Amino acid sequence: EAQVTQNPRYLITVTGKKLTVTCSQNMNHEYMSWYRQDPGLGLRQIYYSMNVEVTDKGDVPEGYKVSRKEKRNFPLILESPSPNQTSLYFCASSSPGTGAHYGYTFGSGTRLTVV
Amino acid sequence: QQQVKQSPQSLIVQKGGISIINCAYENTAFDYFPWYQQFPGKGPALLIAIRPDVSEKKEGRFTISFNKSAKQFSLHIMDSQPGDSATYFCAASTHSGYALNFGKGTSLLVTP
Repeated sequence: EAQVTQNPRYLITVTGKKLTVTCSQNMNHEYMSWYRQDPGLGLRQIYYSMNVEVTDKGDVPEGYKVSRKEKRNFPLILESPSPNQTSLYFCASSSPGTGAHYGYTFGSGTRLTVV
Repeated sequence: QQQVKQSPQSLIVQKGGISIINCAYENTAFDYFPWYQQFPGKGPALLIAIRPDVSEKKEGRFTISFNKSAKQFSLHIMDSQPGDSATYFCAASTHSGYALNFGKGTSLLVTP
């Protein structure tokens, strides 16, 4: 089944303790991205990756790191999490669009709480 | 800075009615406009999309209307059903679809 897999689904951590949220896709997509979703703010872009070893900052990259060493994986790293990073995170993947109907496939989300 | 502005924030429609969600953008480089549907506990899923070379696209009960000169586009859900109750996001990007800019979302409730 074609999908984007994020782990973990739920995570509670303490301020300052480094964590990694993993993301993997099995569709051979070039593009991968991370979003955070907060009430009233919608989906905000954290980081994008066009392909292996190519990453771009989105609208809210502060406090996050990413790496794209393999095409299928795009982990999100929080080196020193803070309470304002408590959010619902989505990983997504896509291929360069052609035609009139294409777009990102999203994972099921990771709900992160930083206390 | 929000590049895509979406309204209303929430919407209640009776079963069988028409749901209308509006979006506006400023960046004239955008030329791909998808809509996503999100159910509670799930990730957003692509619903329907349009390119600016057409003014309207219809897929079943879902229609996108696009006004290039006004830099506005909207989603119409005809014969709305309780199963359509979800959060809807409009988005915009350049043709490759690499960097998607989302609106803040509209929470739709269709009452029986």
